[in-house]
Amino acid sequence: GENVEQHPSTLSVQEGDSAVIKCTYSDSASNYFPWYKQELGKGPQLIIDIRSNVGEKKDQRIAVTLNKTAKHFSLHITETQPEDSAVYFCAAESGTASKLTFGTGTRLQVTL
Amino acid sequence: DGGITQSPKYLFRKEGQNVTLSCEQNLNHDAMYWYRQDPGQGLRLIYYSQIVNDFQKGDIAEGYSVSREKKESFPLTVTSAQKNPTAFYLCASTFRSRLNEQFFGPGTRLTVL
Repeated sequence: GENVEQHPSTLSVQEGDSAVIKCTYSDSASNYFPWYKQELGKGPQLIIDIRSNVGEKKDQRIAVTLNKTAKHFSLHITETQPEDSAVYFCAAESGTASKLTFGTGTRLQVTL
Repeated sequence: DGGITQSPKYLFRKEGQNVTLSCEQNLNHDAMYWYRQDPGQGLRLIYYSQIVNDFQKGDIAEGYSVSREKKESFPLTVTSAQKNPTAFYLCASTFRSRLNEQFFGPGTRLTVL
């Protein structure tokens, strides 16, 4: 089955700096790669996703890049703000049932 | 309001008792999922269902059971056979076709005393 690895597990940046979180996956048939943000005590919320037919997608301060050959994808957050502090999860969809395999999460802390 | 609701938010259970967690959605989604979240381990799939009256085991189904009698509802029962049930449980749903966003509920935190 699919295996997703995520790094780093914790990340601390100063407000205004950029943050990058990286994930690798094992199943070359995976075609959909969402990123979720989870605040304390809440369910994850989708912040951006990318499909295998594109290499990069941007939404304001957030971008995701995908390298299918190397089987890795990354989340980039620019001009970080304190409200970006949360746990971020990457995931990869495998199989035919929209099953998502999640990474282990990155706790991002944006300091003033 | 459209969305996914989970109840209760907090649940306490004595060892040896079965407990059922509720998940309801009014998004007309076909597929529903249950995940377990433990610190440092991300989300792990327990069970999923793509259509009514059908469901499949995920990666960690042992000690859990589900039913899907209605499109809107996908309750999860944590049985006494689950060795370490204390965790945060998340329900999600999506349309059946692939490459669609999974929407998550707010979660239920289960604590076994």
